[in-house]
Amino acid sequence: KAGVTQTPRYLIKTRGQQVTLSCSPISGHRSVSWYQQTPGQGLQFLFEYFSETQRNKGNFPGRFSGRQFSNSRSEMNVSTLELGDSALYLCASSFGLADLNEQFFGPGTRLTVL
Amino acid sequence: DAKTTQPPSMDCAEGRAANLPCNHSTISGNEYVYWYRQIHSQGPQYIIHGLKNNETNEMASLIITEDRKSSTLILPHATLRDTAVYYCIVRAITSGTYKYIFGTGTRLKVLA
Repeated sequence: KAGVTQTPRYLIKTRGQQVTLSCSPISGHRSVSWYQQTPGQGLQFLFEYFSETQRNKGNFPGRFSGRQFSNSRSEMNVSTLELGDSALYLCASSFGLADLNEQFFGPGTRLTVL
Repeated sequence: DAKTTQPPSMDCAEGRAANLPCNHSTISGNEYVYWYRQIHSQGPQYIIHGLKNNETNEMASLIITEDRKSSTLILPHATLRDTAVYYCIVRAITSGTYKYIFGTGTRLKVLA
């Protein structure tokens, strides 16, 4: 069974641009969660999607948004990029509504904002 | 919101027990404590979780104080492969939705 895949793996953008990251969950998994990881803040929870609906949300501004498709694939969008958005963005999938003991993580997308 | 505090780094001799503390003094009664670890260049990995009682699995033990304001993750016989960043996480629930509050992590170095 293939694991969680994320594309692209690396991305460079400039301030003010917008970016879309993609996550394909493990086959059969219906929940996708997104996390931001930075050296200063560590791991932070962004949001979770289940059955195409956002179910849980962390404390991030509205510039961060996402969606989930009927095949459970998910995209995360960041608009009006800021330098502080430079981070590793991790996606995790699970069968049911996310419980941290059931999540499998992807390799991440490293976003650099110049 | 609940908050978790962890020491930034710890060393442990190989074969000895590694005791990683976490302070979550603002935790509420229905909020679980989870522990994850992240080995360099890999995604986070679930270790253990608990609510009130102490828990043990094949990887570790979790000791939660009676007032639930702190917990300790115990790796009973640390190996070099346990070198990683360990995150203490509180799963908070508000109005039916979850938030996961991550601590900044403890970098554990297991020494040969």
